Amino acid sequence: GAGVSQTPSNKVTEKGKYVELRCDPISGHTALYWYRQSLGQGPEFLIYFQGTGAADDSGLPNDRFFAVRPEGSVSTLKIQRTERGDSAVYLCASSLTGQGIYGYTFGSGTRLTVV
Amino acid sequence: ELKVEQNPLFLSMQEGKNYTIYCNYSTTSDRLYWYRQDPGKSLESLFVLLSNGAVKQEGRLMASLDTKARLSTLHITAAVHDLSATYFCAVLFGNEKLTFGTGTRLTIIP
Repeated sequence: GAGVSQTPSNKVTEKGKYVELRCDPISGHTALYWYRQSLGQGPEFLIYFQGTGAADDSGLPNDRFFAVRPEGSVSTLKIQRTERGDSAVYLCASSLTGQGIYGYTFGSGTRLTVV
Repeated sequence: ELKVEQNPLFLSMQEGKNYTIYCNYSTTSDRLYWYRQDPGKSLESLFVLLSNGAVKQEGRLMASLDTKARLSTLHITAAVHDLSATYFCAVLFGNEKLTFGTGTRLTIIP
């Protein structure tokens, strides 16, 4: 596609529920990233995929968070037993290759609200 | 600890004036990025700076990178209302992790 597509754009869920957030990167981009942005803050790194594999998941806050990219294109961020503190905007980005040479294109984000 | 600091955090400026936003970072890197974010929107890429001394310009915005000083600047020339937004710098440390600054909320006053 022309840009990075994220769905849903908004998600409201009850505390303790499971949610899945989807990211469809720019076609041909091998690198995919998830970031989380809390209100009034800059985005924070969660996880980076190169192809199908998670090259770096050191930003995932705990084992309730998990992400996959099974075919090297679309990625899903999964959050189990959601907590109110998980409320944030989850941003996906993609890049043609790694190493930042071509910069990073961000999607519009999914605004997650846990009530 | 990796830190990226921006200043000022808030900036109100009159149309037609010039101003500079500063981005300091704590650890060696030669890859720095500037983004613009409008309220409720995602991040729009403005500049990709990949080496010491890099300077890029687009319209009324100009960005530069001094890797020795660990400093980047975003200069705004003759500001117009359309430039009102939050501006973030982000630095690439190590393996593919962008660390973002806290952002500068810019308001252009007619």
